Amino acid sequence: GNSVTQMEGPVTLSEEAFLTINCTYTATGYPSLFWYVQYPGEGLQLLLKATKADDKGSNKGFEATYRKETTSFHLEKGSVQVSDSAVYFCALSDSGGYQKVTFGTGTKLQVIP
Amino acid sequence: DAGITQSPRHKVTETGTPVTLRCHQTENHRYMYWYRQDPGHGLRLIHYSYGVKDTDKGEVSDGYSVSRSKTEDFLLTLESATSSQTSVYFCAINEENKGHNEQFFGPGTRLTVL
Repeated sequence: GNSVTQMEGPVTLSEEAFLTINCTYTATGYPSLFWYVQYPGEGLQLLLKATKADDKGSNKGFEATYRKETTSFHLEKGSVQVSDSAVYFCALSDSGGYQKVTFGTGTKLQVIP
Repeated sequence: DAGITQSPRHKVTETGTPVTLRCHQTENHRYMYWYRQDPGHGLRLIHYSYGVKDTDKGEVSDGYSVSRSKTEDFLLTLESATSSQTSVYFCAINEENKGHNEQFFGPGTRLTVL
């Protein structure tokens, strides 16, 4: 079955540091890949997505590239801010029916001033 | 904003009591989902629906049932709550017009079973 593996947290960074959160996946076919973000006390929000190999998703300074050869979708940001402190979830959805999404376990990011 | 609301937002109940959580959407989406979120597990799918009266089990469906008698409402019922069902429950919809299984989430319900 489908699975998503992302790096354990928490990740603590100083403001303006470079961020990488690793994500790898196992899936049949050609899945779509997503990063969601969850701020404290809120539901998940879609941060970015990529729907085919070599696509780059980007939003709010965050980027991730769909790498089929390494089955990876690592999240990066060049300069994090305190407001980026949140939990980040990598997810995939395969091309099958019922539109189901498989989530990773989440990585908590804390950015300190 | 996908127009998803959940009720109640917080609930404390006792072991053995029935509990029903409600998810309401205003935009006529076909697909709806219930997840639970627990530390170390991320989000796990409990049940999902692909239309009125069309539902199926997810990966952690034991102890839960669902009903969807109207497009806009998807109810999750814990027939006899247990402490292991203490969790945060999220409802989600799939915005089909965006394609690629893009899901949008409600604000969550924090359930505590004593």
